[in-house]
Amino acid sequence: EVRLVESGGGLVKPGGSLRLSCAGSGFTFSEASLNWIRQAPGKGLEWVSAINSNSYYIYYSDSVRGRFTISRDNAKSSLYLQMDSLRAEDTAVYYCAKDLGLGRDFWGQGTLVSVSS
Amino acid sequence: EIVLTQSPATLSLSPGERATLTCRASQSVSRYLAWYQQKPGHSPRLLIFDTVTRATGTPARFSGSGSGTDFTLTISSLEPEDFAVYYCQQRSNWPRTFGQGTKLEIK
Repeated sequence: EVRLVESGGGLVKPGGSLRLSCAGSGFTFSEASLNWIRQAPGKGLEWVSAINSNSYYIYYSDSVRGRFTISRDNAKSSLYLQMDSLRAEDTAVYYCAKDLGLGRDFWGQGTLVSVSS
Repeated sequence: EIVLTQSPATLSLSPGERATLTCRASQSVSRYLAWYQQKPGHSPRLLIFDTVTRATGTPARFSGSGSGTDFTLTISSLEPEDFAVYYCQQRSNWPRTFGQGTKLEIK
């Protein structure tokens, strides 16, 4: 059974940092391209970042470039999102997803990040 | 960045009726368009990818069509479990983008 489990969310003050993790199982983690997608409360989906299987290709949305860093550890079957200089508008549920938009697409259940003073 | 515009924002229909949802791209995405369904409190679920291919487990009443910039998701006869929010998403270019969603509600 494919599983993606996000963790690391919580409440943080503006300007602070948080590191999200996503643990994968039930599939060949080292072969999957992985994404972070977020959803602000009551809003639509916003793609955040992607990384390919060997970390050679990395992409960010304009809204997070320079503040967020995506990485992965294939030996640990884990995906990460280091979030720095957090803003109120970064408040959202953050999902990790594999092979976004392909037949092998799968999403985790999400972790909530709240940025507030 | 490719902007995806979905219409209508809200669609009110009754079970058994046909639903037609549209997604328009600001530039061509070829056939690289997917449709997702999201129910409250749940993660999005892939329904259709590459415009026309149903994902595993997607009922046959869901079908996709289109190419280039104009795409359609059709639900031939609505079941009670189909009332949800639907998003389109393109994987033609970086950054990947989603439409703003269409809420399909019971009339």
